[in-house]
Formats: sequence, C-alpha cells, structure tokens
Amino acid sequence: NAGVTQTPKFRVLKTGQSMTLLCAQDMNHEYMYWYRQDPGMGLRLIHYSVGEGTTAKGEVPDGYNVSRLKKQNFLLGLESAAPSQTSVYFCASSYSSDNEQFFGPGTRLTVL
Amino acid sequence: QQQVKQSPQSLIVQKGGISIINCAYENTAFDYFPWYQQFPGKGPALLIAIRPDVSEKKEGRFTISFNKSAKQFSLHIMDSQPGDSATYFCAASYPFGNQFYFGTGTSLTVIP
Repeated sequence: NAGVTQTPKFRVLKTGQSMTLLCAQDMNHEYMYWYRQDPGMGLRLIHYSVGEGTTAKGEVPDGYNVSRLKKQNFLLGLESAAPSQTSVYFCASSYSSDNEQFFGPGTRLTVL
Repeated sequence: QQQVKQSPQSLIVQKGGISIINCAYENTAFDYFPWYQQFPGKGPALLIAIRPDVSEKKEGRFTISFNKSAKQFSLHIMDSQPGDSATYFCAASYPFGNQFYFGTGTSLTVIP
C-alpha cells in the first residue's frame, strides 16, 4: 500500500518548456487534488477532481491543465512553463470532501 | 478571500512549553476541521481533526479546542518537544463542497 506517489521528485525547466506531473493513489479515492506551496502562502489549490473523467478549477488554475482518465491517476500539465510556476507541487487524495486528505511527497519544480 | 485565517505565522517555544495556534473561519457550513503537520521536504500529514459536535478533542499531547459560536478553533501542543518543530496548517471543509480550505500555515520552532 504505497498511498499517494508523485513523479518526478525534482525537475528543472527552461521558460516555455512543457512537462507533466503524475500523481497516483492506491486507496480507491474518488477525490484528488493538486496544490502548490510557496513560502508564506500556504497550500493553494490548482485543480481538483471528484471522480474519474471529471476535473474542476481551484484557486490558482491559470497556466495549468489536468486530466483524470483513470481513477487512480491525476495528471498536472504545464504547457509553457514560466518562472512564476517555480514551486513545490503536492498531490492529495481523499475518500470524500470532508474526510482526511492524504498527501504525496511533493515535486520541487524550478523554472529558469 | 481567505476562508480560513491562521495565526501566528511563526512561533518559537521553549522545550516543555505550550504551543498554541489559532484559526478562524466564516462559513458556518464547515463541518470538518483538521490540522496538518508538515516537516521540511515532506508532504503534510493529518495530525488531528474535529467535527463541530464536540468542543475539544485530545490525542496525546495534541488538543483541538473548538468554539462554534466564535467560529474559531485552535491547536494546543502540550509539553512541546524539538521534534514538534514543523509547519502546521489548519483547514476546513463541508459536505459536497469538493475541497478543503487551508490556513496559511504556522512555522513552529521548539528550542531545546
């Protein structure tokens, strides 16, 4: 039982490059979330999904896209990376919206 | 608009002392109030959570106090230890709301 895993752990991009962050969970959770964490700003929700095939925007969705083709996976895409997207990205999953969220170990992304 | 307001931003406590972190919210529909603990380089992990049908919940040295009328809840860490040094986030959610609302975090340092 691995919980929530994230790939990759670290990545350095140049401005304008694209990449996809992968999140996988093995708890059969319906809800999945992508957050970014920046110093002094806490956890800010980028996008979330309430089930396979569904996605919705969170607080800071601009510059990101997501897909939930399989229940266990939630992908976060950056089509044209910008230095403002330098951050630590966390994926989380939960059984329902008012139950414990389980977080992955994070991906540290630097955009030069 | 910040749905959950957390204070203080940082806290320094002597070993053996009591650490207190406060959160306030506005949405009376919230029915789940978790506290997350995050160590450097790790994802947040659930520490303790409370629902509004009780005013206090204790787990070991960690206690949540909940004041429904004031729309406030707080985390108390008794006999604080250096190993408690971490960032703490409060959060709130409500049924069918699809997401958590996190506070901005408190960096706790416990001095030996």
